[in-house]
This record gives sequence, C-alpha cells and structure tokens, in this order.
Amino acid sequence: DQQVKQNSPSLSVQEGRISILNCDYTNSMFDYFLWYKKYPAEGPTFLISISSIKDKNEDGRFTVFLNKSAKHLSLHIVPSQPGDSAVYFCAASVAGSARQLTFGSGTQLTVLP
Amino acid sequence: DTEVTQTPKHLVMGMTNKKSLKCEQHMGHRAMYWYKQKAKKPPELMFVYSYEKLSINESVPSRFSPECPNSSLLNLHLHALQPEDSALYLCASSPTGRPYEQYFGPGTRLTVT
Repeated sequence: DQQVKQNSPSLSVQEGRISILNCDYTNSMFDYFLWYKKYPAEGPTFLISISSIKDKNEDGRFTVFLNKSAKHLSLHIVPSQPGDSAVYFCAASVAGSARQLTFGSGTQLTVLP
Repeated sequence: DTEVTQTPKHLVMGMTNKKSLKCEQHMGHRAMYWYKQKAKKPPELMFVYSYEKLSINESVPSRFSPECPNSSLLNLHLHALQPEDSALYLCASSPTGRPYEQYFGPGTRLTVT
C-alpha cells in the first residue's frame, strides 16, 4: 500500500511559467514532509521541507503548501528554469520513527526553453 | 564540505563474489542510511545507523551486511547476491537537529550477473 503518492509521472512546463507538483498521502501520522530533486546518475538532493504545524514554507523560487485536511501537499516553482528539469520526489516522515522517510514514486519535470 | 561520496560508481559482480560499497561524509552528521532504488521506483530504506550503532534493519537479507567503522564512514558488504539485487544503492546522512533532511550520495550502480 503506497502511503505517499505522486499521481503524475511527468509534467512539462514552459520556461518562466509556474510548475506545480502534487503529492497525496494516506497516513495521518505523517508530520514532516520534504521534496527532493534527482538528476540522472546523481542521488536525490534535498530541496525544501514543511512541518505539519505549518501550511506554507517558502525558499526562493520554491514554495511548498500543505493541506492537512486533504492530506495533500504541492511544490510550486516560480519561475521555472530549464535547470529545474529533474525527477521530483515527495517524502514524508513520522515523529519518533527514527527518521525513516517514505517516498513517493516521483514526477519527471521538464522545463522547455 | 556538503557532500556524501560513494565508491565505486559502478560495480558488476557475480553471484559468488564478495564486494563492499563505501560511503563517506564529513558534515558531522551522526545518522547514516543505506537505500536501494530500482528503476523508476522511489528509494527503499535498508539500514539506519545512529551514532555508529545500527538502529534500523528493514528486514534486509543477510547477504547484505552493513558496517559503520566511524562517524564519517559507512560500508555495505555484499556476498552471494542474486540478480534481483541489481539496483542503485544510495547512501545518505542527516544532521542532528534536522533529522528528516537527508543528504544523499550519487549512488553505486550494482549489477549482479
């Protein structure tokens, strides 16, 4: 049973526009959420995180929104740049879980010049 | 130094071979992890070390044997692997105080023949 789901395997966006990547989760015990970016032949790179006590966290061009009632989070990238093209993984964790992360299956973002 | 390094980058081994994967970080992180990632799938947690002690073993077969010689190094010893063990093996570490933010190495691409 997938506890973290990314239902869009791919997304294409024009350079300069907004990219919105979505993630849904089923485990209401999750209280910390993260986004990772992965380029081919590299390990995932931590991007941004959000605690369940917040509904928004912003870092430069990246903003993560959390809707706890809908068990949904999203990553907004504005403006999108060609260098943002990568696979984006959503991940979630439970307090006291010895720092285990549950990953979604990833979304391939392609930013077109 | 904000890197997690892994060697080798690629490894091909027979089912009767013994080999080791190495991981190193100099960020002062006291938690280190081994993940396995198959193609087009999210990373799956294998082992967690906290302060050089094994804290989580996700029911990994004994043909995988982790070792943490010191706070900067993490090894994964491989013996009598099966072809289905072919995957990308990722090492990660996380900082004290930000336990859910894991920093990944580039991975070792393992092929078992």
